[in-house]
Amino acid sequence: QLQLQESGPGLVKPWETLSLTCTVSGGSISSSSYYWGWIRQPPGKGLEWIGSIYYSGSTFYNPSLQSRVTMSVDTSKKQFSLKLSSVTAADTAVYYCARQDYFVSSGSLDYWGQGTLVTVSS
Amino acid sequence: EIVLTQSPGTLSLSPGERATLSCRASQTISSNYLAWYRQKPGQAPRLLIYGASSRATGIPDRFSGSGSGTDFTLTISRLEPEDFVVYYCQQYVNSPHTFGQGTKVEI
Repeated sequence: QLQLQESGPGLVKPWETLSLTCTVSGGSISSSSYYWGWIRQPPGKGLEWIGSIYYSGSTFYNPSLQSRVTMSVDTSKKQFSLKLSSVTAADTAVYYCARQDYFVSSGSLDYWGQGTLVTVSS
Repeated sequence: EIVLTQSPGTLSLSPGERATLSCRASQTISSNYLAWYRQKPGQAPRLLIYGASSRATGIPDRFSGSGSGTDFTLTISRLEPEDFVVYYCQQYVNSPHTFGQGTKVEI
């Protein structure tokens, strides 16, 4: 059974960089059928897609965040990462990593991590 | 950017009743690249429907999706207690892959 697990600091200071890692277990991160994505959810609000990365390193980001987002992948560790720079309180959210399936569904998010709350505060 | 508008915002029903949730897109979603997710409190969303009408693995047949173009519907034929949570639609045809604002189904 595929599992994803987010990890990283739960508290980030304003104007610093948020860094999270997602570790994939129970399956391959290097499959040609999947992208790997990040989604966030501010407390009590809806979902926002941040972006996705392919095992080769190819990325596509939400234009609203593109200037501050960097994603990377380490296939040897079966991990992919998110960096979000110059954070403010508006970036406080639960951050989820997820698998984006292009084999069966052409892009829906079929496996999700449990999510990790990141609070931006001094 | 494709904007998805879900309605109603809140749906008040009883167990055993039928629920009909709507998702309307600001432009045509080609190839029906639309998904529905259910989110229980404190949990990650779970994929219910992809391709507008295909049930994801392990999803019971009381969940069905329909629609095309700009208008999509999620139907829950007989509400179970665990169905009284929040539902989101998402399009993944164009970047950014936007979500609707959610519909809460409450007792």
